[in-house]
Parts: sequence; C-alpha cells; structure tokens
Amino acid sequence: EAGVTQFPSHSVIEKGQTVTLRCDPISGHDNLYWYRRVMGKEIKFLLHFVKESKQDESGMPNNRFLAERTGGTYSTLKVQPAELEDSGVYFCASSQGDSSEQFFGPGTRLTVL
Amino acid sequence: KQEVTQIPAALSVPEGENLVLNCSFTDSAIYNLQWFRQDPGKGLTSLLLIQSSQREQTSGRLNASLDKSSGRSTLYIAASQPGDSATYLCAVRGSARQLTFGSGTQLTVLP
Repeated sequence: EAGVTQFPSHSVIEKGQTVTLRCDPISGHDNLYWYRRVMGKEIKFLLHFVKESKQDESGMPNNRFLAERTGGTYSTLKVQPAELEDSGVYFCASSQGDSSEQFFGPGTRLTVL
Repeated sequence: KQEVTQIPAALSVPEGENLVLNCSFTDSAIYNLQWFRQDPGKGLTSLLLIQSSQREQTSGRLNASLDKSSGRSTLYIAASQPGDSATYLCAVRGSARQLTFGSGTQLTVLP
C-alpha cells in the first residue's frame, strides 16, 4: 500500500512568488492534515480536512496560505505571496478515523529567498 | 494550551544498551499519544500509538507507556542498535484532532 506522498520534495522561490505544495494521502483516508516545521522549532499544526471539508484551520498563520482538497482526495497548500518566514518543512499526514494513527509524508522543504 | 516536552534533547549510548526516552505533557485530557522517529532529511515514521485508555503498547524492541494522570509517557528501546539512531518525537492528540509535538530527542547509538 502506498504511503502519503508529497510533491515537490524541495522548492526554492523568491520572496513574493507563489508556491503550491501537493499532498496525496493514503487511499481511503478521509482525514488529511497539514503541519510545518520552521527552523529550530517544533512541528506545528496548520489545518485538518475531513474529506473535502476544512474541519479546523486554526493553525494557518495568515491569509497568504490557502489549502484545498477538491473531491476529498489530494490536497494543495498554496502560499501567495511567499515571505522569508515561510521557509521550513511542510508535512502532510492522513488517518482513517479521527482517533486513528496519523501517517506522515516525507515533507516538502520550502526555501524562500 | 497543550505543551509537550521531551527530555533529554540528545542522547548517545553504546550499542546493546537499553534506554528510555521521556515525554511529558501539560494537559492530561488527551485522546491518544503517538511516538515517531525521523531520520535526517526524511519524513516521520509512526512507531507506536497509545490510546488514552491504554497503559502501554509494544512493537518488537519498543515499548511505550502512558500515565495520563501524571502527564507522562516513556519510550523504552531494548538492546539498542546503530540503526536506531534517529530523532524520536512524541505527539499528543487532544479534543481537537491535531497533534501537538515535542521538540524531540536525538538518539545516537555508537557501534
């Protein structure tokens, strides 16, 4: 069974540009989560989808971040415009039920110059 | 607000030694606790999930315990091997479905 996949693995962009990260959860997992780790800090929650609906987006830092999960399958996280402080590793995770084990993808390392 | 602390931040042991990693959390109203390992430049690999009603979980050489009332969990690794070298992360899930992570323990097992 394929795990959680994320694309791209690395992205280097200039401040002010737009970047879109993609996450494909494990097939059949209704719950999809986005987290990120910025330099030297703990991994922090961004938001949670149940199927195509945003269940909790309390961790989204500001309105430059937009997440979507059309059709309840893969999800995208767009940062527009990117700022220097957005640099970090963005992780996606999925789970079958909301009390179930969360499985993480390999992450996307975002560098904003 | 839930806070998760992991001690020690780094640990170096000789191969074959048994070791314990510690995790503490401030809010005991948790749904479950998950232990992960992260290898350099890689994603998180789930090791063990303990539901709030459970006291421990075992997988191979790994044993995780949970004492919800005191806000503590330990990860016991038996007969450590160089391949166990990684960062170990503890994360708790409260009433919101998100995980709150500790900063991790970086383990090095010396051959």
